[in-house]
Amino acid sequence: GAVVSQHPSRVICKSGTSVKIECRSLDFQATTMFWYRQFPKQSLMLMATSNEGSKATYEQGVEKDKFLINHASLTLSTLTVTSAHPEDSSFYICSAGPGLRETQYFGPGTRLLVL
Amino acid sequence: AQSVTQLGSHVSVSEGALVLLRCNYSSSVPPYLFWYVQYPNQGLQLLLKYTTGATLVKGINGFEAEFKKSETSFHLTKPSAHMSDAAEYFCAVISGNTPLVFGKGTRLSVIA
Repeated sequence: GAVVSQHPSRVICKSGTSVKIECRSLDFQATTMFWYRQFPKQSLMLMATSNEGSKATYEQGVEKDKFLINHASLTLSTLTVTSAHPEDSSFYICSAGPGLRETQYFGPGTRLLVL
Repeated sequence: AQSVTQLGSHVSVSEGALVLLRCNYSSSVPPYLFWYVQYPNQGLQLLLKYTTGATLVKGINGFEAEFKKSETSFHLTKPSAHMSDAAEYFCAVISGNTPLVFGKGTRLSVIA
C-alpha cells in the first residue's frame, strides 16, 4: 500500500519550546492531509485538515495558534506545536490519501513528550 | 452527521478461536467503511475497506468484514485467531466529503 512517513518518531522537549512534525506522502500526491492526536488507550481525535496551498481547517476546540499547520507542497504537511507544555504530550498521527473519499494511509506517528 | 460505534472496548479470545469485532455506523448517505489495526506505538494499518459492490470484503491477515446496510453494521471477523492478531482495531467511516470518523477502538487480546 501507499506509504506515509512522519518525522521525528519521538521527540522530547522542554516546556516553552516549539516542535515541528513532518508528514510526507512518499508515492502519491495529497491535496489534503489530516492531523490526529491520540491519548493513551483512546481513539484518534481529528485536530485539523491540512489543505495544500491554503489555510488548514481546525476542529472545534483545537487552537490554531497553538498547532500551526503548513501544507506547502502536495507531498508534505507540517504540524508545529508552539510553546509546548506538558499537557501537549501525546501521540500525533498524520494521514493522507490520493483523494478525500479514498483510503487514508497513516504515518507511523510521533510521540511527543514535553518536560 | 456520521458516527461509528464499536461494541466492546476489549475482546479476548483463545488462539485458534473465531474473532468477531463489532462495528455499527450511522450515515445519511452511502458510506465508505474501513477497518484499521494499530500495534503499540505505531500508526494505523488498513485491514480492509468497503466502498461499493460486493458486501463481503476480504482484507489482509485473514480478516474479512461484511457490510449489512439493513443492520448498519460492518463487523470484522477472522476464523482462527493468532497471537500476532493482538492489537487495537478501529472501525471508521467516510460519509460524503467529510474526514474519516473513527470508533473508539476495540482491543483484541489473544490467549494461548
